[in-house]
Amino acid sequence: GAVVSQHPSWVICKSGTSVKIECRSLDFQATTMFWYRQFPKQSLMLMATSNEGSKATYEQGVEKDKFLINHASLTLSTLTVTSAHPEDSSFYICSAHTSGATDTQYFGPGTRLTVL
Amino acid sequence: GDSVTQMEGPVTLSEEAFLTINCTYTATGYPSLFWYVQYPGEGLQLLLKATKADDKGSNKGFEATYRKETTSFHLEKGSVQVSDSAVYFCALIEVGGSYIPTFGRGTSLIVHP
Repeated sequence: GAVVSQHPSWVICKSGTSVKIECRSLDFQATTMFWYRQFPKQSLMLMATSNEGSKATYEQGVEKDKFLINHASLTLSTLTVTSAHPEDSSFYICSAHTSGATDTQYFGPGTRLTVL
Repeated sequence: GDSVTQMEGPVTLSEEAFLTINCTYTATGYPSLFWYVQYPGEGLQLLLKATKADDKGSNKGFEATYRKETTSFHLEKGSVQVSDSAVYFCALIEVGGSYIPTFGRGTSLIVHP
């Protein structure tokens, strides 16, 4: 099946710093990528939908200035958590969907962010 | 709107026991249905899917049948292993929609030796 990677797999940072998370589709071109946040023992919460070459669409309640999303190519989307605070600590997961393919999303392995 | 309801966990079983995790859904159209599995500390992996009524998805001994009449997609496995311990998510995607899945809350499965 299709492979989606995320980097880094975990990161620890100080409060007030910014962290960038990369999501790559390794063997296919992803016209649309999605960013999710998952709290412990809970389901995934969709944060935003990212389309290549256009601005991301954020879900209600998600601060677009805090969670910057860039989808610069058909194989790469990045999520930057700006001025991170401890409450931003979470597990962030991306997924990718291909245009014209079946309606399946392929998920990355996730990135564990801990803000001290 | 669309929704997915899963049985609450954790589900605790002994090795080789029979597994059923219930999943029901509501949707405005004709969704495709999925089961994803999440092992500790990892992302989601597609376990199986079904795209139309009466389809049966199967993988690694797991199977689920798309039941339109009962709007259900229950996950079953005849004999679980310790390595099956994980969180299982039922999800749907509306065909022709935004391709954004609607997830259930997830059901934790714990298998003891």
